[in-house]
Amino acid sequence: KQEVTQIPAALSVPEGENLVLNCSFTDSAIYNLQWFRQDPGKGLTSLLLIQSSQREQTSGRLNASLDKSSGRSTLYIAASQPGDSATYLCAASSGNTPLVFGKGTRLSVIA
Amino acid sequence: GAVVSQHPSRVICKSGTSVKIECRSLDFQATTMFWYRQFPKQSLMLMATSNEGSKATYEQGVEKDKFLINHASLTLSTLTVTSAHPEDSSFYICSAVDGYEQYFGPGTRLTVT
Repeated sequence: KQEVTQIPAALSVPEGENLVLNCSFTDSAIYNLQWFRQDPGKGLTSLLLIQSSQREQTSGRLNASLDKSSGRSTLYIAASQPGDSATYLCAASSGNTPLVFGKGTRLSVIA
Repeated sequence: GAVVSQHPSRVICKSGTSVKIECRSLDFQATTMFWYRQFPKQSLMLMATSNEGSKATYEQGVEKDKFLINHASLTLSTLTVTSAHPEDSSFYICSAVDGYEQYFGPGTRLTVT
C-alpha cells in the first residue's frame, strides 16, 4: 500500500529565500507524481506533474524532481514571495487509481 | 485543459438532513471519479471510487449507507450525505479521471449545525 510522507510539516522563511520541500513514497511503481498548492479553505491547484519517465518539471519559479529508485520527490521554490504562503501537497498515482496524498507542508513566507 | 466543477461550493445544513454534492467533468467523459474528504489541517483522504454504471467502492471506515454515491452518466457523479451530523462537517473534493490523469473539482465546504 502506497504511503506518502512530506517533510517538514511546516516551514517559515523570509521573503526572497530559496527553499526545498520534500516528499517520499514507499512504492516506487508510480505512474506519476503531482504537486499541489492549497490555500486555506480552498481547493487544490495543480502545480507540477512529473511522469514516471521524467526526472523533473519546471514552471516559473518552481522545479520538481523525481527519483523513483529512492522514492523521493522535491519541490524547489526560488526567490520565495509572501504570495507563495500556502500548504503544498504531493500525491503519488499508480495510473487511474486514486491519488495518495501526503499530509502537506505548510509554508509561510514572511515579508 | 480538463475542467471539473462541483456544486455547491459551500453548504450549511441542519443535523439530520441530507445534502447532495455534484461533481461534473465539463469537457471530457470520466468513467471513474473519486471522492475525497479533508478535515481541518489534515490531508485529503479517499472516501470512495465512483464508476459509471456500477456501484461505488468505499474505503474502509466509510459508511456506504451514509455517503450515497451515484455515477449515472459519464460526466456526473453525486455524493449524498444522509442524516448529516456535525462530525460530517468537512471539505469534500472530487476528482475525475481522464486517461491516466486526475483533475480535481474546487471542493465543497459542508457545515452541519
